[in-house]
Amino acid sequence: NAGVTQTPKFQVLKTGQSMTLQCAQDMNHNSMYWYRQDPGMGLRLIYYSASEGTTDKGEVPNGYNVSRLNKREFSLRLESAAPSQTSVYFCASSEHGRSYTFGSGTRLTVV
Amino acid sequence: GNSVTQMEGPVTLSEEAFLTINCTYTATGYPSLFWYVQYPGEGLQLLLKATKADDKGSNKGFEATYRKETTSFHLEKGSVQVSDSAVYFCALIGANAGKSTFGDGTTLTVKP
Repeated sequence: NAGVTQTPKFQVLKTGQSMTLQCAQDMNHNSMYWYRQDPGMGLRLIYYSASEGTTDKGEVPNGYNVSRLNKREFSLRLESAAPSQTSVYFCASSEHGRSYTFGSGTRLTVV
Repeated sequence: GNSVTQMEGPVTLSEEAFLTINCTYTATGYPSLFWYVQYPGEGLQLLLKATKADDKGSNKGFEATYRKETTSFHLEKGSVQVSDSAVYFCALIGANAGKSTFGDGTTLTVKP
């Protein structure tokens, strides 16, 4: 099925470890996004990419980096994980001005 | 800037009850408005949308009408089912077609 694929689905990290969350979409969308969702906090935008070759910070970028590898793929990297980064991470994509398509999420625990 | 304010939850209803989840927005011009639903353990998925004033979006028995005069897009369903238990997010995309602005989400629990 067409959509947004996120890997891994679950991950446990120790404080200070690094990891990369992968996201790929097959809908030929120009824009891609990374959000985190914490209980009672709604969705918070970490980084976004309006088009291939561009990335911009969202509300909560500290501690994260992103790479728009090509039009399909947008990865999120945690260089040195902290317990405060325990969250559910969602990737989404969209065409300009249209609704978003979300992935099923990555549940990350940092111990 | 743009903003979306949703009715605070959680909301608990009995099966077959009438549902309203309020959503109001602040935006310049004529934004596009959306409702997304998030079932437990899943990502958000589009439920319905409206792109101009007085449009009614509908899907799976849910409806919402774009009210420019009251800057609202309230979600309604005449008879909820247990399977409607989920988190509902109101969202908008501004007239300049930039990023979406999301509300904080409203958790709905439907009891048999």
